[in-house]
Amino acid sequence: GAGVSQSPSNKVTEKGKDVELRCDPISGHTALYWYRQSLGQGLEFLIYFQGNSAPDKSGLPSDRFSAERTGGSVSTLTIQRTQQEDSAVYLCASSWTQNEQFFGPGTRLTVL
Amino acid sequence: SQKIEQNSEALNIQEGKTATLTCNYTNYSPAYLQWYRQDPGRGPVFLLLIRENEKEKRKERLKVTFDTTLKQSLFHITASQPADSATYLCALDPFGQLTFGSGTQLTVLP
Repeated sequence: GAGVSQSPSNKVTEKGKDVELRCDPISGHTALYWYRQSLGQGLEFLIYFQGNSAPDKSGLPSDRFSAERTGGSVSTLTIQRTQQEDSAVYLCASSWTQNEQFFGPGTRLTVL
Repeated sequence: SQKIEQNSEALNIQEGKTATLTCNYTNYSPAYLQWYRQDPGRGPVFLLLIRENEKEKRKERLKVTFDTTLKQSLFHITASQPADSATYLCALDPFGQLTFGSGTQLTVLP
């Protein structure tokens, strides 16, 4: 039974470049979440997908951030024109209901 | 605005003692509250969920209480061990997505 996987595990990019972060949730989980965690900080909610409903994008910090979930499974978080303040660990989680969430190991993004 | 506070950024206790972590919230009426553990470089791992109509929940050496009047949850680890050292996060679900506290870093000293 595979857990939530994320790729890449580390990403270093230059300011102004676009990046794509991938999340493979646990098979059968209907809900998928993206969070951001800056060094020594708590988790900041970004976006939430539930089944076929429109995603809750209320946590996206700017219009440079977007996310898709294809076929109700894999999700991609895209950050356009990256800025240094985007440097953080991006965590994905999935769940069967709105209860317990299963987290991936995260992608550490560094914007130079 | 909604706010979740965890009692302290860091807590050090001696092995064998009971660790007590606090989570306070304002302007929420959550249906349930969750506690997670996070180790360095890893994603959080779910520990316990307690519903608004439950006063207390236990799992092995863990105990969680939930006081909706005080808007507070207490998380206890009894007979603490160095392996319990980690950051512990509480999380609430006001609108279908979890909102996390900033966490308490627990260190259990041998």
